[in-house]
Amino acid sequence: QVQLVQSGAEVKKPGSSVRVSCKTSENTFNNYAFSWVRQAPGQGLEWMGRIIPVLGLTNYAQNLSFQDRVSITADKSTTTVYLELRSLRSDDTAVYYCTKGDGSWVGDALDFWGQGTMVIVSS
Amino acid sequence: EVVLTQSPGTLSLSPGERATLSCRASQSVSSSYFAWYQQKPGQAPRLLIYGASTRATGIPDRFGGSGSGTDFTLTISRLEPEDFAVYYCQQYGSSPWTFGQGTKVEIK
Repeated sequence: QVQLVQSGAEVKKPGSSVRVSCKTSENTFNNYAFSWVRQAPGQGLEWMGRIIPVLGLTNYAQNLSFQDRVSITADKSTTTVYLELRSLRSDDTAVYYCTKGDGSWVGDALDFWGQGTMVIVSS
Repeated sequence: EVVLTQSPGTLSLSPGERATLSCRASQSVSSSYFAWYQQKPGQAPRLLIYGASTRATGIPDRFGGSGSGTDFTLTISRLEPEDFAVYYCQQYGSSPWTFGQGTKVEIK
């Protein structure tokens, strides 16, 4: 049974940073890639980036929405994947989803989604 | 970046009817790296179809995916009440991975 347990909702000031965590089992952590996807209120899905913890590889979406503001990391000791978003703006207000890939290193469909973490950016 | 355009934006149908959702890519996408997701209000999306035509685990066979190159289709053969939701297409073969803007299937 796959589990992706995300950290709780956050309220942040513009210009600050947020780190969202996603804890999973050791087996899942060691055998799959993880992507972060966000969804602004009433809007569609936006892929932010991906990490393959066992290979130490990351890949980010290089777009104007969050270019150079995103970091995705993984902690083997706690089998947790993290998303950090810096220099927060009001349009970063969204639900952030941790997702598990289906097993391909090259490109993987997102076959399991965490419960989502609401991040609100407001002064 | 591969831009995915879904049509129609909203599909109004009755239970039992057939739904056909389209997704067009701005450039050719490998069918091996194409997926469809379903999202209901207040829930996380759920993977329906991957590899353009393979149903994910537990997905009923009334859901079918097809297509190649730049044109992909999701078909729901007979709509059940639980199928009224928003559907997104996605390509994951070319970075950045991208999603379509969604098609809402609503009860007529």
